[in-house]
Amino acid sequence: GAVVSQHPSWVICKSGTSVKIECRSLDFQATTMFWYRQFPKQSLMLMATSNEGSKATYEQGVEKDKFLINHASLTLSTLTVTSAHPEDSSFYICSPIAPEVTDTQYFGPGTRLTVL
Amino acid sequence: AQKITQTQPGMFVQEKEAVTLDCTYDTSDPSYGLFWYKQPSSGEMIFLIYQGSYDQQNATEGRYSLNFQKARKSANLVISASQLGDSAMYFCAMREGRAGGTSYGKLTFGQGTILTVHP
Repeated sequence: GAVVSQHPSWVICKSGTSVKIECRSLDFQATTMFWYRQFPKQSLMLMATSNEGSKATYEQGVEKDKFLINHASLTLSTLTVTSAHPEDSSFYICSPIAPEVTDTQYFGPGTRLTVL
Repeated sequence: AQKITQTQPGMFVQEKEAVTLDCTYDTSDPSYGLFWYKQPSSGEMIFLIYQGSYDQQNATEGRYSLNFQKARKSANLVISASQLGDSAMYFCAMREGRAGGTSYGKLTFGQGTILTVHP
């Protein structure tokens, strides 16, 4: 199956700092990347959608200036949490999409962010 | 209204028994796909099975089968011969629309069901 990597797998940072999360699709070209967030004991919620070379589209309630998404290539997308606060502590998961694949969708292994 | 509903917060099953995890969905789009994922404590989302809205037969993947009842808008996951390693959170998810759209691939998830397999 497809391989998706995320880095880092976990990060602890101080309040007010910025954290960058990388998502790579290792064996296919992802024209679209979805970023999800999962709080403890809750479901996955879509944060934003990015298409390669275009600005990301954010879901209602997600601050675009706080969660910066870059999808500069077909194999790499980054999510930067700027000026992180404890309420941003969550599990962040990427899902790259290869348009020719319709019967499955892959996810990265996730990044657990803890903001102190 | 909830697009994906999983009404079982938790389920218990004896090892080697079969278990059914419920999922109902709501959409007016004739083209959609239904997915089941397993999420162990590590957090990774493990793809289990997929059912397309136009598929005539129920999907099966090893010990996993999907009981697709289109008229009732339900897509229950059946796990046969449960194993201790099946203990995890299980999510049902739906993708709407056809391939080629700018947001194709967006998944809406249910609330999840925690499955515990007893020895």
